[in-house]
Amino acid sequence: QKEVEQNSGPLSVPEGAIASLNCTYSDRGSQSFFWYRQYSGKSPELIMFIYSNGDKEDGRFTAQLNKASQYVSLLIRDSQPSDSATYLCAAGGGIYGNKLVFGAGTILRVKS
Amino acid sequence: GAGVSQSPRYKVAKRGQDVALRCDPISGHVSLFWYQQALGQGPEFLTYFQNEAQLDKSGLPSDRFFAERPEGSVSTLKIQRTQQEDSAVYLCASSSTRGGLSPGAFFGQGTRLTVV
Repeated sequence: QKEVEQNSGPLSVPEGAIASLNCTYSDRGSQSFFWYRQYSGKSPELIMFIYSNGDKEDGRFTAQLNKASQYVSLLIRDSQPSDSATYLCAAGGGIYGNKLVFGAGTILRVKS
Repeated sequence: GAGVSQSPRYKVAKRGQDVALRCDPISGHVSLFWYQQALGQGPEFLTYFQNEAQLDKSGLPSDRFFAERPEGSVSTLKIQRTQQEDSAVYLCASSSTRGGLSPGAFFGQGTRLTVV
């Protein structure tokens, strides 16, 4: 079992729809969770982080954390073609200590 | 600086050659990480510095890989006797706090290493 798992996609959504990206993690002691966006040929860009169970909203983005289910998600409302990218989920803390452990990423395609 | 700066952006090395990759973190950032990213994969952890101390080097794939951050600012990742499997993008990230857990780590543009 991978430490952080994501569906590789691609996930295709029409412009204006809600994109839902999911991630599961194996270490129950993980404390912090991050979503990064990576455009092709570019480096990862931090878009959201979450520590507590529940939802955290920032503009069109909502991160959701359920520690009991070891599940993290990212919702993107009113998806735009410019949101098309690979979304990386990362976990930190617990057995990972100070480092972030990344999933392989989910490719999102927003069709206009 | 305004962001994490890495140099060179691209490096082509002949197999067996030594290479050195530089990372200049965001000014004042305590934590610095090196990651390796293969095509279509997420970044894989290599090593972590807190100031000048290398606290975790568990991800370095072999003793050919060496990293340093002697003054707690700029860091260098050195790869000796490069092999084709070393071809990847090497990413540096920095964070304002001890560890990258709050509020997260910020990445540089990366160095794409191709070993021929």
